[in-house]
Amino acid sequence: TQLLEQSPQFLSIQEGENLTVYCNSSSVFSSLQWYRQEPGEGPVLLVTVVTGGEVKKLKRLTFQFGDARKDSSLHITAAQPGDTGLYLCAGAPYNTDKLIFGTGTRLQVFP
Amino acid sequence: SQTIHQWPATLVQPVGSPLSLECTVEGTSNPNLYWYRQAAGRGLQLLFYSVGIGQISSEVPQNLSASRPQDRQFILSSKKLLLSDSGFYLCAWSVSANTEAFFGQGTRLTVV
Repeated sequence: TQLLEQSPQFLSIQEGENLTVYCNSSSVFSSLQWYRQEPGEGPVLLVTVVTGGEVKKLKRLTFQFGDARKDSSLHITAAQPGDTGLYLCAGAPYNTDKLIFGTGTRLQVFP
Repeated sequence: SQTIHQWPATLVQPVGSPLSLECTVEGTSNPNLYWYRQAAGRGLQLLFYSVGIGQISSEVPQNLSASRPQDRQFILSSKKLLLSDSGFYLCAWSVSANTEAFFGQGTRLTVV
């Protein structure tokens, strides 16, 4: 089974703190995507990383794709209550058509 | 523009009853289609995916089946529901497995 393991599973922090979420696999991925999901809704795409070693920034969010294309990280600087949600990494293992999702990281940011 | 419709939004069904959840996509042709199930606060478990009409790949052996009778229609079914089938079911489409997936609003299924 090709899995995407995320850590930590839960994260509860104060506004203004920094945090990093990790997404790891033993499989190689053509690309990895990061989504955010609100309760009762479907996930919404934040970013796609395609090239090994790639770094993408989206305001206070920084995404990195590992050199071997087996892992990725999401770093949030100066977290805000509006960042609260479920963060999911996702990708299609190399040479497959299936889009699998990570185990999820639930982030709670307190004012 | 492309849209995805999934219904119903909520469903309460007795154990042993049948299930049919429907998902349709508008504004695109030959999409990849996916069915996922999600436990509360956890990641999405891929149940089925399809790259074309009549082509269904099953990821997890279970009490469910899927069909794609038309290019933009994806149906999740069960002949006899189990308590363990309860969960939040999400349908999604994408141009390919490496591009953005767009999700329906989800169906919260409770088997009682």
